[in-house]
Amino acid sequence: GQNIDQPTEMTATEGAIVQINCTYQTSGFNGLFWYQQHAGEAPTFLSYNVLDGLEEKGRFSSFLSRSKGYSYLLLKELQMKDSASYLCAVREGDYKLSFGAGTTVTVRA
Amino acid sequence: IAGITQAPTSQILAAGRRMTLRCTQDMRHNAMYWYRQDLGLGLRLIHYSNTAGTTGKGEVPDGYSVSRANTDDFPLTLASAVPSQTSVYFCASSPGLAGYNEQFFGPGTRLTVL
Repeated sequence: GQNIDQPTEMTATEGAIVQINCTYQTSGFNGLFWYQQHAGEAPTFLSYNVLDGLEEKGRFSSFLSRSKGYSYLLLKELQMKDSASYLCAVREGDYKLSFGAGTTVTVRA
Repeated sequence: IAGITQAPTSQILAAGRRMTLRCTQDMRHNAMYWYRQDLGLGLRLIHYSNTAGTTGKGEVPDGYSVSRANTDDFPLTLASAVPSQTSVYFCASSPGLAGYNEQFFGPGTRLTVL
């Protein structure tokens, strides 16, 4: 089974940087995903890590350390539209994607 | 149709009634999934299908059934709804199961069982 932990809420100022941490325990790690979900909407894909290291995609970056069971999502140059819930999801085996409860990020002017 | 659609958008249902949530994708994805999302618990996998004609149980399958008669459709049925099945249900699809196969989510169905 999986145990995925991420903070419940974070608040930051427009233009700032926020780092959302995710720790996990799994018996068969096969990739880690980050999704963004605005209130009342469907989750949308942000990033995928399967090897250790940093993946950068515009203002968003995601880091993975498999030995530590740890990932983070870094949001830079925060904008008001980045206010959303961010979901960490770990793939175990071929199909099973287990999600954390999500981190709600509030961006303030 | 573009992407993945779900119907209905929302539904209020009396306990004990049968209900089918519909999901259709036009991306020719092999794999499809049903999740429920509850406050504080995140998304939990109910059932999945890796290709037409095959289905499998996820984390919380009890009280739900699915079928996959073709590539595009993956309906979820509640045979006899109970209040604990009140949730937001998301259907998702991906090109395959493993590797870099991001899941694309439908808009969700908000179900209330009274």
